Amino acid sequence: QVQLQESGPGLVKPSQTLSLTCSVSGGSISRGGNYWNWIRQHPGKGLEWIGYIYYSGRTYYNPSLKSRLTISVDTSKNQISLNVTSVTAADTAVYYCARDLSGRGYFDSWGQGTLVTVSS
Amino acid sequence: ETVLTQSPGTLSLSPGERATLSCRASQTVTSNSLAWYQQKPGQAPRLLIYGASNRATGIPDRFSGSGSGTDFTLTITRLEPEDFAVYYCQQFGRSPPMGSPPVTFGQGTRLEIK
Repeated sequence: QVQLQESGPGLVKPSQTLSLTCSVSGGSISRGGNYWNWIRQHPGKGLEWIGYIYYSGRTYYNPSLKSRLTISVDTSKNQISLNVTSVTAADTAVYYCARDLSGRGYFDSWGQGTLVTVSS
Repeated sequence: ETVLTQSPGTLSLSPGERATLSCRASQTVTSNSLAWYQQKPGQAPRLLIYGASNRATGIPDRFSGSGSGTDFTLTITRLEPEDFAVYYCQQFGRSPPMGSPPVTFGQGTRLEIK
């Protein structure tokens, strides 16, 4: 049973970079067919897909965020990372990492989420 | 972008009753690309249904999904106390229009105890 765990600062200042890590246990991040996603949820709101990375390093970003996003993978640590630059209060959200097991676009395993607040 | 509109926004029912949740897409969604999730306060979403009608591992058979094209339904027969939560539909498009994300979610339906 794969488990995902997000970690990173809970508070980021406006204009700075938000950096989060998702650690994967119980399975290899390099397993073929698995896509590793970031999804966020603004307080009291719905879900917004941020982007995914394949273990090879191939990425696909939400066009609305693309210019500020970097998602990377470290197969030696079994981790994926998310960087969002030039953050504003609108980036305040719970950030989840989630696995798409087969590339069919649904998410069968999720981390518990981490709240990131953008505030000075 | 494929917009998913869920209705109703809030559904008030009693345990033992049947719940019918709707998800309507702004353009055709291939049936194998529609999923449903359940989210309880303070928790991550949990996959219930994928491919429009397939139950995920460990999901009770009182949950069922149906639909095709632009109209999809999640049905919960005989509501249990633990079923009261927020439900989201989600679609995936392999070749979205330029500038559109491949994954979008509905805004959610809150299922509350009457």
